[in-house]
Order: sequence, then C-alpha cells, then structure tokens
Amino acid sequence: DTAVSQTPKYLVTQMGNDKSIKCEQNLGHDTMYWYKQDSKKFLKIMFSYNNKELIINETVPNRFSPKSPDKAHLNLHINSLELGDSAVYFCASSQDRLAGGLDTQYFGPGTRLTVL
Amino acid sequence: GQNIDQPTEMTATEGAIVQINCTYQTSGFNGLFWYQQHAGEAPTFLSYNVLDGLEEKGRFSSFLSRSKGYSYLLLKELQMKDSASYLCAVTGLSGAGSYQLTFGKGTKLSVIP
Repeated sequence: DTAVSQTPKYLVTQMGNDKSIKCEQNLGHDTMYWYKQDSKKFLKIMFSYNNKELIINETVPNRFSPKSPDKAHLNLHINSLELGDSAVYFCASSQDRLAGGLDTQYFGPGTRLTVL
Repeated sequence: GQNIDQPTEMTATEGAIVQINCTYQTSGFNGLFWYQQHAGEAPTFLSYNVLDGLEEKGRFSSFLSRSKGYSYLLLKELQMKDSASYLCAVTGLSGAGSYQLTFGKGTKLSVIP
C-alpha cells in the first residue's frame, strides 16, 4: 500500500512537447508539494498546495502549472519542455497538524524526466 | 533568504561513527530536519530538531544549536547500507510569508569495509 505514488517513473520526450506528471497520496494529508532535483542532486521546492489551494509558488517558469483536483492529488503539467527541465521531480505530502512547517514530509518515488 | 552548508562527500569505515555537520542561515527558523536518500530513491525522513540539544533515535542522533545555526547528524555502528546522501533541511519563512522546507545540497556518505 503505497503512501505517495507518482506516474510515470520515467519520462523521455522531445524539446517543445507538453507533458504531465501525476501524484497521489493515500495518507489523508492536507498539504502536497512538488520538488525538482537537478543533476547535482540539489532538491528545490517548486510548489505547495494545502487543501487544493496554492500556498507556495517559488520562482518557476510559468510553463509549469500545478493542478490539484482534490487534496489527495497534485499533478504537474509542463508546457514547451526545454533541455534544462531534465531532472527528477518528487512529489511529497505532509499533514498540517503542526504550525510553522514542522510536519514531516513524505516523498514519492520520483519521476525522472529526460528532455532530448 | 536561506543558506545551508554541509560537506559534499564523506567516507567512513563499517562499524565506525561518523558526524555530518550542517550550518544554516535562514529567516524565521522553526526547525531542522535530516533526510536520507539512497541513489535513485526518494528522500526518507530521519529526524528533526526544534529545540537545542540532542535527539537520539537508535543508531542515529541529531543535534541542534539554534544560537550557532548549527546541527549535526551522528551515525553510530556504521553499516554498508548507510551509504547514501544525507540532506539537511531547515523550515523557514518563504518570501510569501508561509513556511517551507529548504534543503542543503546533501552529503554523500560512502561506507567502506
């Protein structure tokens, strides 16, 4: 019984294409996140949603658009893919019980995106 | 803004003890987390510190000094399976005024026989 799942696990595509990555959590958490981990393994927050509402939107090109149909799902759509978008994208979730961002985040297995 | 520093790589011997240091500067600091990430896998939670002092969890312990902006992760009785990257992360205020987790670049630990 997977806690945070992502599909697909691998995504290889051409520059200029549009692609989506899906994320689902069955932990009953209120908050979900998207992170990007580049080739140097630096993990950086992109977006955060709480109960379907965007709460963090870091400096990310507007080609990236998150969508949360319900609090268990947070999908990431990327338009006009560029070479620099190649990275591993991790979805995560956390319960919103503790103030100040102290809830533990649980990560999905990651989606390795390669743009050719 | 947030700034987190930790060594890029470390090597230690099986059965030994290793300490991975992390220094940080952040606005609105609330807590510090340690995550473990094996190659090709997702980060997994190890520990967190809110108050100064040592938190012990089996073979792993984490220490925090808020006044010094300093933490360390201590791994005892090292095993080969402990070879992984260890990510220091701090909770602080984002530009938008909400709390977010900011990760350091990770320390790649290699455990050798």
